[in-house]
Amino acid sequence: EDQVTQSPEALRLQEGESSSLNCSYTVSGLRGLFWYRQDPGKGPEFLFTLYSAGEEKEKERLKATLTKKESFLHITAPKPEDSATYLCAVQTWGKLIFGQGTELSVKP
Amino acid sequence: GEEVAQTPKHLVRGEGQKAKLYCAPIKGHSYVFWYQQVLKNEFKFLISFQNENVFDETGMPKERFSAKCLPNSPCSLEIQATKLEDSAVYFCASSQSSTEAFFGQGTRLTVV
Repeated sequence: EDQVTQSPEALRLQEGESSSLNCSYTVSGLRGLFWYRQDPGKGPEFLFTLYSAGEEKEKERLKATLTKKESFLHITAPKPEDSATYLCAVQTWGKLIFGQGTELSVKP
Repeated sequence: GEEVAQTPKHLVRGEGQKAKLYCAPIKGHSYVFWYQQVLKNEFKFLISFQNENVFDETGMPKERFSAKCLPNSPCSLEIQATKLEDSAVYFCASSQSSTEAFFGQGTRLTVV
């Protein structure tokens, strides 16, 4: 069965304290792995798509990496405005399968 | 348009009433996805379309849910005879192919 698991469920960081979020997956026919950010009351905001093992993408303080079984979202020197829920999703043929998300809180 | 537009933002229905939600995908995007978010972070896939054709409907509770994407019209998701457990935020997303999928801001359905 296709499955996406994110860890940790919640993460509290001090401003400037770097860390990583994990997304592990078991799917047949992976067509892409997506990272989204979701703020309360809003729709998911697209961050990255990764297609093959070894691929990396960066945007400001965020860097996403992909292996054959998992993806990491590295957050370098986070700021309070990075506080949000980060969602990982894998695309199979006709749909995105989401993980449960990691709720990130960054304190000043 | 340059963003996925969902209407209405909020919808309140009495149990047993019909609810209809709309989604205008980004212009040029041929794929549309519908998701239901019940708990804070749990996204349940409902259905996807490639243009006006159903692509994957494995998540649809077919007895009360239906969806359409017709040419030159917003896509729609209709729930007949709503139940309390249908209360959720319904998200629509669109994509050009197997690339980035962009989400709308959602429709919050409350069944009372």
